Amino acid sequence: GQSLEQPSEVTAVEGAIVQINCTYQTSGFYGLSWYQQHDGGAPTFLSYNALDGLEETGRFSSFLSRSDSYGYLLLQELQMKDSASYFCVLNSGGYQKVTFGTGTKLQVIP
Amino acid sequence: DARVTQTPRDKVTEMGQEVTMRCQPILGHNTVFWYRQTMKQGLELLAYFRNRAPLDDSGMPKDRFSAEMPDATLATLKIQPSEPRDSAVYFCASANGLAGNYEQYFGPGTRLTVT
Repeated sequence: GQSLEQPSEVTAVEGAIVQINCTYQTSGFYGLSWYQQHDGGAPTFLSYNALDGLEETGRFSSFLSRSDSYGYLLLQELQMKDSASYFCVLNSGGYQKVTFGTGTKLQVIP
Repeated sequence: DARVTQTPRDKVTEMGQEVTMRCQPILGHNTVFWYRQTMKQGLELLAYFRNRAPLDDSGMPKDRFSAEMPDATLATLKIQPSEPRDSAVYFCASANGLAGNYEQYFGPGTRLTVT
C-alpha cells in the first residue's frame, strides 16, 4: 500500500516563505500532487509533479525527489488567506488511484 | 463556469434511515470519486468510477454503502442503514481521466449527521 507523512501543523508569518514537507512510501506511482483546503471548504488542486524537480505556479512551488521519496510545497510571500490545510497526494496504481496525506494545517500570523 | 455539484448540502437523519447523496460531475469528465472526511480519519477515498464503471470501492464498507453511476451526469452514494459513525463530510470529485487523475475538481460536499 501507500502511506504519506506530513507535519500536522505549521505556523508562519505574513510575507514570509514556508515549506511543507511530505514523505511517502509506495511501490510505484505516477506523481505527487498538492491540494489546499480552507476550513469548511472543499479541496482545490494546486500543483502536480510527475518528474523530479521544481514546478512553479505563481507564489506556490512544488518539488519532488523520487530517490528520496520526498516532496515539498513552497509558499512564498505568505498572505493571511493562505491559512488552510495542505495535502500531498500520491497518484498511483493501474487506474491512477489517489491517496491523500493526513494534511498540514498552516496558520499565517501577522 | 464548470463545477461539480452535490446535493443535499446538509443532511441530518436518524440512525437506521437510508441516506442518498448525489453528485453531478463536470461535463466531459469521465472519472468520478467519492471521499469521506472526518477529523479523526482525514480524507478517505471510498470509491471511484471511470466511464461509469466502478474501478475501486475497497475503501467503502460494503455491508451498508453502495455507489453507482446511473448515467454520465449523475453519481450516487447510498448508506443503508445509516449509523452515527457515518457522520462526516462526503465529497464528490471529478477528473478528466485521459489527462490523469491528479487534477480533481471537488464538489462542495454533503455534511451528514446521523443521530
